[in-house]
Amino acid sequence: ETGVTQSPTHLIKTRGQQVTLRCSSQSGHNTVSWYQQALGQGPQFIFQYYREEENGRGNFPPRFSGLQFPNYSSELNVNALELDDSALYLCASSELGGSFGELFFGEGSRLTVL
Amino acid sequence: AQKVTQAQTEISVVEKEDVTLDCVYETRDTTYYLFWYKQPPSGELVFLIRRNSFDEQNEISGRYSWNFQKSTSSFNFTITASQVVDSAVYFCALSEAAAGNKLTFGGGTRVLVKP
Repeated sequence: ETGVTQSPTHLIKTRGQQVTLRCSSQSGHNTVSWYQQALGQGPQFIFQYYREEENGRGNFPPRFSGLQFPNYSSELNVNALELDDSALYLCASSELGGSFGELFFGEGSRLTVL
Repeated sequence: AQKVTQAQTEISVVEKEDVTLDCVYETRDTTYYLFWYKQPPSGELVFLIRRNSFDEQNEISGRYSWNFQKSTSSFNFTITASQVVDSAVYFCALSEAAAGNKLTFGGGTRVLVKP
């Protein structure tokens, strides 16, 4: 069973640039969620995708967008980067209708915005 | 709105001591779920336990135990006879039933177990 994998693991961008983060979900999982974790804080829900459709969104501006592909992998795109976007971005996969709330997380992509 | 508070930011213990992590939550929903996740230095969050709002039975699983008290909106977690490998950040989380798999996390408690 392959776990959740994320790429890249680390990246540095400058203000105003755009970034794409990628996530491969665990085998058999049809739902992907993205979370932002600022240093020293708990993760915050960005959005969730189920069957290629956005299925719930947290309090994040529209410059945070996502995609889910037919193989259930996903991308998180952030436009017009701001310094406060520096964080660990965590992807989690799950099976909608499966064990509620039991999310399987990747090790994250650490984004630094200068 | 839902909220999770973990008042302890860091706890340091010596190996074999017990450590209890506090979690207090707020929700207006009557059906909700509570979770504990562990985040080791590698970064990925690891699911430990889930409890629904109708199940106040406390549980022991190996060295871990949980104390859910609806009357005080608390869901505390205890590690008995701590080990160095227990060193990690522990997060309490809440999900209202209607919110699906959207979790609201607390700020986390860093546990440092010294040999």
